Amino acid sequence: GENVEQHPSTLSVQEGDSAVIKCTYSDSASNYFPWYKQELGKRPQLIIDIRSNVGEKKDQRIAVTLNKTAKHFSLHITETQPEDSAVYFCAASWDSSYKLIFGSGTRLLVRP
Amino acid sequence: DGGITQSPKYLFRKEGQNVTLSCEQNLNHDAMYWYRQDPGQGLRLIYYSQIVNDFQKGDIAEGYSVSREKKESFPLTVTSAQKNPTAFYLCASSTGGETQYFGPGTRLLVL
Repeated sequence: GENVEQHPSTLSVQEGDSAVIKCTYSDSASNYFPWYKQELGKRPQLIIDIRSNVGEKKDQRIAVTLNKTAKHFSLHITETQPEDSAVYFCAASWDSSYKLIFGSGTRLLVRP
Repeated sequence: DGGITQSPKYLFRKEGQNVTLSCEQNLNHDAMYWYRQDPGQGLRLIYYSQIVNDFQKGDIAEGYSVSREKKESFPLTVTSAQKNPTAFYLCASSTGGETQYFGPGTRLLVL
């Protein structure tokens, strides 16, 4: 079945620096890739998503890139702020599945 | 995600007791899901339902049961067969295979 690997498991950056989180998926039929942010004790919240017909998508300081050939996608956060500190999860799915396969999560710490 | 509610926020279970977690959505979403999250871990799928009166097992269904009698509601019962139920339980809903939106979660603790 589909498997999603996420790296790194923890990431510490200085405020203002960029952060990059990478995910690799196994099923070439996957065509939808959301990213969720989860603050401590709270629900995961969608921050950005991308579909397989697009190579890159941006929303202010957040961007996601997709390489279908290599089957990996990445989250880029620029000008990081302390409030970006959270756990980030990538996920993958395909149209008929209704199931999201989640990565194991990356704990991001932005040092002031 | 404001249209998905879960109750209670905290739930305590005694040995041998079945407990039911509530999940309601007013987003008119067809699909609903239950996930379990252990401390410092990712999300594991327990059960999901694409339409009313139908549901499928996820990766860790043993010791859990669900029903989907109404489109808006997808309750999860943690049975006495689940020997290690302490976790954060998240409900989600979606339109088809689109974006899943999560409820605020229920934290289950064993007395």
